Amino acid sequence: DAGVTQSPTHLIKTRGQQVTLRCSPKSGHDTVSWYQQALGQGPQFIFQYYEEEERQRGNFPDRFSGHQFPNYSSELNVNALLLGDSALYLCASSSLAGGLANTGELFFGEGSRLTVL
Amino acid sequence: QKEVEQNSGPLSVPEGAIASLNCTYSDRGSQSFFWYRQYSGKSPELIMSIYSNGDKEDGRFTAQLNKASQYVSLLIRDSQPSDSATYLCAAHSASKIIFGSGTRLSIRP
Repeated sequence: DAGVTQSPTHLIKTRGQQVTLRCSPKSGHDTVSWYQQALGQGPQFIFQYYEEEERQRGNFPDRFSGHQFPNYSSELNVNALLLGDSALYLCASSSLAGGLANTGELFFGEGSRLTVL
Repeated sequence: QKEVEQNSGPLSVPEGAIASLNCTYSDRGSQSFFWYRQYSGKSPELIMSIYSNGDKEDGRFTAQLNKASQYVSLLIRDSQPSDSATYLCAAHSASKIIFGSGTRLSIRP
C-alpha cells in the first residue's frame, strides 16, 4: 500500500520563477492538504483540496495556487517566487469519508524542499 | 495570539524518565487534537490523537486533553534515545489542521 508520494524531493529556483509541486495521496484517501514548513517552524496550512475544489485556505497570497485531479492527486503552484518561499512543502492526505468529524489524521509525504536563490 | 502554542524547547530528559510536552490552543470550537513526531530532515508522523477530555494511553505514550483549560499534553514514559525528535501539537480548527511550532525533545543517555 503506497503512502503519500511527492515530487520532486529537492529543487532550486531563482526569484521570480514559478514552481509546480506534485502529490499523490495515500490509497483510499480523497483529501489533500498542503503545508509550508520553514526551518525550525511548525507546518503552516496553505490549502486543502477535496472533490477537485479548494475547500479551505490559510493565510497565503494568491501566488500560491493548487489543483486536484479526478484521481485525487494534487499540484501546488507558486508564482513569482520570493526568497522567503524557501521551505519544505509538505503534502498530507486524509479521508473525509464519514464526515468531517472523522477527518484530522493526516498522513504526510516526505516533502519537497524548495530553495529560492 | 497563535492558534496552537508550544514551548520550542529544547527539553532535555534523561533516558528512562518521563518526558512531558504541553500545548495550548485558542479555538474553543476545536474538537480533535493530535501529536505528531518529526525527526530531523523527515516529515511528521502521527503518534496520538485525542478527542475527549481525559487521558488516552497507547504504549509508552499518554495524551491528555482538558477542553475547559484549552490544554493538551503528551507524556512519554521510559524515554528512549529514539524519542529524540520535535513533537508537534495540532488542533482540528474550522475544518483544517493547525500545527504549533513544535517542541524539540532530547533524551540524554
